Parts: sequence; structure tokens; C-alpha cells
Amino acid sequence: QSALTQPASVSGSPGQSITISCTGTSSDVGGYNYVSWYQQHPGKAPKLMIYEVSNRPSGVSNRFSGSKSGNTASLTISGLQAEDEADYYCSSYTSSSTPPYVFGTGTKVTVL
Amino acid sequence: QVQLVQSGAEVKKPGASVKVSCKASGYTFTGYYMHWVRQAPGQGLEWMGRINPNSGGTNYAQKFQGRVTMTRDTSISTAYMELSRLRSDDTAVYYCARVDPFGVVIPAAFDYWGQGTLVTVSS
Repeated sequence: QSALTQPASVSGSPGQSITISCTGTSSDVGGYNYVSWYQQHPGKAPKLMIYEVSNRPSGVSNRFSGSKSGNTASLTISGLQAEDEADYYCSSYTSSSTPPYVFGTGTKVTVL
Repeated sequence: QVQLVQSGAEVKKPGASVKVSCKASGYTFTGYYMHWVRQAPGQGLEWMGRINPNSGGTNYAQKFQGRVTMTRDTSISTAYMELSRLRSDDTAVYYCARVDPFGVVIPAAFDYWGQGTLVTVSS
């Protein structure tokens, strides 16, 4: 099972919107509405930001939104803030039991 | 509140084994699968395997088959991950993370993570 493909880096100025893509296959991203996104600050554990493609857990800012088209999912951060600078990983449920989940390659978001 | 608290950092020699613990609190331990994910320095997240704390059933990534063992002790709400025959490229932060297998609230996502355990393999 190969990792999902994400851009290595994305940057934007404060207040702007940025979008991170996550490309998989019909066996993972395209086959299920179980795409999730995680934010990871340096030295910290990942934090769930989006689940089921577009749902936000309680406490996550509505500046974070998710979507999916075909085999590609996307995370959009609007009104970019300095605290959004972090690594972001997508994940998808897969048709395999091992692994049942696959992660993306990760994207470094830089706030200019 | 839900918490997953992992054991402390470890330094091991090549060929040795390491056992990392993950103590759960704030929820019914047997109601959620516990997964283990690792992250090598400067690298991405890698799924290692999972355990059903209710039955003890496990699934492991093919890459770790034969070297990893995941267990649990329901009496103390703790999951364990043991990795044997350590190599230098096993140096990584190891995380436990829970997933709701029935998707009642947050399906198919790692909604809570442990703080991570750094395992360093060096001669």
C-alpha cells in the first residue's frame, strides 16, 4: 500500500487561503468517504483536524475545511494565521485490512 | 477527558527489543481499537498495526510482521507495543492512537494520540 501523495510544501501570507491536496487511488481516497487530516507542530503529536472528508471535531476552527473529488482530497485553511504553520498529513481508510489506513506524505505549511 | 499517556524515551542497542506502553483514561478502553504509528526523524507517519483491546486480536503491517507484538492489559487500560531485533532505522517516535471501530462519533480517524515515545537505536 503506497502512501498518499501530498505536496511537500505550501505557503501563504497571513489572512490568505491555502489548499493542500492528497491524491490516492480508488482503493482508498476514491473508494471511501473516510479521509482525515492531521496537524502536527514540531515535537508534538498529530492532532485530528478533519474526519469523514469534511467534518470538524469539536474545538477545531471553522477556518479548516475539507473536500474530495474522485481520488483526490483537499484541506483548505482560510484566514491563514501564524499558528497554522505546521506539518499536515492526510489519511484514508483502505480496502485492505493491513493496513486499514494509509497516510499521506505530509505537507509543510509556512506562513510568510 | 480522554488521555493516552505513553512510557518514556528508550535507548537500545541493535538487536535488542523495546516495549512501549500506552495507558488510556477517560473512556472505555475496550471500546476503541488502539493503533501504533511511528515517525522516523524528519519523516512522515507510518502505520504499524492495531489491537482490538476487547478480544486481543491484532493486525500488523507486513513490514513489521515477525518483529512486532501488540498486547493489552484491560485491568489497567494499557496497550503495549514490542518491537524486536531493533535496527538503526527503527529510531523513531512511536505513537499510540485510538480509533472508534464502530464509527459512533468519529469514524475511521485517529481522534486521540499519545504524546509519543522516542526510541533510539544506537551501538
